[in-house]
Amino acid sequence: QKEVEQNSGPLSVPEGAIASLNCTYSDRGSQSFFWYRQYSGKSPELIMSIYSNGDKEDGRFTAQLNKASQYVSLLIRDSQPSDSATYLCAVSNSGYALNFGKGTSLLVTP
Amino acid sequence: GAGVSQSPRYKVAKRGQDVALRCDPISGHVSLFWYQQALGQGPEFLTYFQNEAQLDKSGLPSDRFFAERPEGSVSTLKIQRTQQEDSAVYLCASSLGGLARDTQYFGPGTRLTVL
Repeated sequence: QKEVEQNSGPLSVPEGAIASLNCTYSDRGSQSFFWYRQYSGKSPELIMSIYSNGDKEDGRFTAQLNKASQYVSLLIRDSQPSDSATYLCAVSNSGYALNFGKGTSLLVTP
Repeated sequence: GAGVSQSPRYKVAKRGQDVALRCDPISGHVSLFWYQQALGQGPEFLTYFQNEAQLDKSGLPSDRFFAERPEGSVSTLKIQRTQQEDSAVYLCASSLGGLARDTQYFGPGTRLTVL
C-alpha cells in the first residue's frame, strides 16, 4: 500500500499566526501533489497543487515540495478562524487516482 | 456554472438491501471518479471512468460494488447486499481531462448508513 501520512492533529494556532501542515508519502514515483480543504460535513475543495520541487505561493498559502525527502507541506499565513478545517494531502502517480492522507485538523482560535 | 451534484444526499439502508448512488459531473468533464470516505479518514479511491470506459476499478472493495457511466456523463455506483462496513460518505469527482494535473472537483457526497 502506497501511503500518504499526515499528523491528524488537532493543530491549534492563534489568529494571525502561521499554520504549518506536513505530509510525507512513500511512492517515489509520485508526480502531482495537492492540498484539499474539507470543512466538517462538506466535500474536499482544492486549495493548492504543486508538481516540482520548491515553493509555490498563492495568496496566504504556500506549498512546499521536496521530492528527495518525499515531503510536502502547506503554510497558511495570517491564519483566520475561517481557515479552521481538515486539510487533506493528496498524491498522484497514475495520472488520475488521488491517494489521500487522513487529514490534519486545524483550529484557528480568535 | 453548476458543479458536481450527487443524489441522494443521505441514504439509510437495512443490511442486505441494494442501493444506487447517482453522480452528475460538471458538463464536458471527461473523467469521473468515485471515492469512499469513512468517518475520520481521507477519501479512498474506488473507480475511474474516462468518458464511458471504466479504466480502473481496483479500489472497489468487493464484487458487491458496481459502477457504470453508460453515456459518458451521469454515473451510478451500485452496492448490492449492503453491509454495515459499507457505511461511509461516497464522493464523486470529475475533471476536465485525464491528466494528473487536472483538478478534480468533488460533489457534496452521499452519506450512506447501513443499519
